[in-house]
Amino acid sequence: DAGVTQSPTHLIKTRGQQVTLRCSPISGHKSVSWYQQVLGQGPQFIFQYYEKEERGRGNFPDRFSARQFPNYSSELNVNALLLGDSALYLCASSDPGQGRTEAFFGQGTRLTVV
Amino acid sequence: AQTVTQSQPEMSVQEAETVTLSCTYDTSENNYYLFWYKQPPSRQMILVIRQEAYKQQNATENRFSVNFQKAAKSFSLKISDSQLGDTAMYFCALVDSGNTPLVFGKGTRLSVIA
Repeated sequence: DAGVTQSPTHLIKTRGQQVTLRCSPISGHKSVSWYQQVLGQGPQFIFQYYEKEERGRGNFPDRFSARQFPNYSSELNVNALLLGDSALYLCASSDPGQGRTEAFFGQGTRLTVV
Repeated sequence: AQTVTQSQPEMSVQEAETVTLSCTYDTSENNYYLFWYKQPPSRQMILVIRQEAYKQQNATENRFSVNFQKAAKSFSLKISDSQLGDTAMYFCALVDSGNTPLVFGKGTRLSVIA
């Protein structure tokens, strides 16, 4: 089985631009979460989706948005990019419907804002 | 609010020796799960070990074991027979039973020295 896949792996954007990051969960997993990991820190929660509905949102500005599609893949959008948005963006999938709490992560998208 | 604290920013250990990484946490929930994740330079966050709060027995996965002290809210990771491939950032994480997102510590950078 394929694990969690994220695209692209690296991205360079200019301040003020918009970016879309993509994530495909493990087959059968209906929950997808997004995390931002700044260099030297632990991941910080951005969004959680389950069965295509937003189930949670972290302390991030409205420039950050996300959605989950019928096939459970997900996109994270960031508008009006700031230098401080430079980070590793991690996607995680899980299968809470089976009582499993483990989250499995993709390799992340390294976003650099210049 | 849930918090996770890792008080050791960096540690090193000789190959084949044993090392213990510390983690303390705080939660008002009675039912929760604790995890240790490993993040090598490849960036992929890999699940190392999982502990359910309702289980008194400490979890073990091959060379990895935990010391879970629920009353003290402590959850340390012991790596036995350390290998060069164990070099990575290690993150302690907490989630409650309600399909909520993971809360991570800031991580411990472990270096295994030949």
